[in-house]
This record gives sequence, C-alpha cells and structure tokens, in this order.
Amino acid sequence: EAQVTQNPRYLITVTGKKLTVTCSQNMNHEYMSWYRQDPGLGLRQIYYSMNVEVTDKGDVPEGYKVSRKEKRNFPLILESPSPNQTSLYFCASSSSGFSYEQYFGPGTRLTVT
Amino acid sequence: DQQVKQNSPSLSVQEGRISILNCDYTNSMFDYFLWYKKYPAEGPTFLISISSIKDKNEDGRFTVFLNKSAKHLSLHIVPSQPGDSAVYFCAASGRGSTLGRLYFGRGTQLTVWP
Repeated sequence: EAQVTQNPRYLITVTGKKLTVTCSQNMNHEYMSWYRQDPGLGLRQIYYSMNVEVTDKGDVPEGYKVSRKEKRNFPLILESPSPNQTSLYFCASSSSGFSYEQYFGPGTRLTVT
Repeated sequence: DQQVKQNSPSLSVQEGRISILNCDYTNSMFDYFLWYKKYPAEGPTFLISISSIKDKNEDGRFTVFLNKSAKHLSLHIVPSQPGDSAVYFCAASGRGSTLGRLYFGRGTQLTVWP
C-alpha cells in the first residue's frame, strides 16, 4: 500500500530535550516536505527536499533541522524543543517538486512542556 | 504575510445543496492551485487541482474555478453530502522563488447537515 508513515504519532517532551520525528514513504517519491498545523493558522511549510541531499527552508524553519540521506526518509529534528513548537506535524511526499499533489502522513502531535 | 487566504473559517450547508468554498491569493507567481480535504485525526488528502492555463476543472461532484484577474478560486461541491463534512484547505505554488513551496490557506470547516 502506497503510504507516508510518521513516528511517533504522539509525543510529550520537555523543553531542551532533542527529538527526532521520522518520516518514510514507499512510493519512490523525489519530493518530501514537513508542515506544521496550528489552530487558526492552517498548514505552514517547515522544510522541503526536492531530492536526496537537497533541502530548502519553508516558511517556518527556525528551530528545526532536516536531512535527506536517502530517498525514502526525511526526518525532522528538533535540537532544543521549546513550548512554541507544540503543534501537529505532517510529512508529505510527491513524485517531484513540480507535482504538487502531495501525499500526507497521518500526523505527529507534539507537546513540549 | 498570508499569500493564500480563506476568509470564511466555516460554512454550513444542507445535504443536497451546493457548497461553495472560496480562496484568494496575492502572489502572481502562483500558477498551480489545489484543494485538500482533511478529516480529524488524519492527514490532508488531495481533492482537485487546477493549472493557471485553465479556468475550470471538474471531477465528479467537485469543480474548481479560477479567476486569474481577480486572483480568486472557488471549489463547488454539488450535491453536498454529509461525508463531505471536513476542513478544506486551498493551496498554491508556482514558478521562480515559489518552486517547491506549497502555500496553504487557513482552511474552511464545511459542515453538511441532513
């Protein structure tokens, strides 16, 4: 089944404790992206990757890091999480950066206390 | 600064009637527009898209209209069904500095009642 998976689905952590949210897709997609969804703000793009070893900032990259060492995986790293990073995070992928019909993962709800 | 705007946070429509969801954009570099649908506890799913070379695209009960001069698009759902109740996001992307980026509106919660 074609899908985007994210782990963990739920995470409660404390300020400053480094964490990684994993994202994996099985569709051989070149393009992957991370978004956060906050009440009243819709979806905002954090980082995206057009291909392996190519990443770029989205609208709200501060406080986040990403890497794309292999095509299927695109982890999101929070080196020192803060409470304002409490949010619902979605990973997405598409066949190319020119194909905007992205497939989204189920989401990761992160709470930073 | 919001480049894609959905000014109606909610819309309530009776089953069988038409639902019209609106979206405005500000960036003239946008040339591809999409609608996504999101149910609670799930990721968004792609619904329908339109390229700027068209002014209308239809897929079953869903039609998207694009008015480039007004920088406005709308999604029509006819007839509306209770299963259409969800949050609908408008999104846009395009050329140049927007390549690879996808800009979303804040969403409109559609409720279809029997």
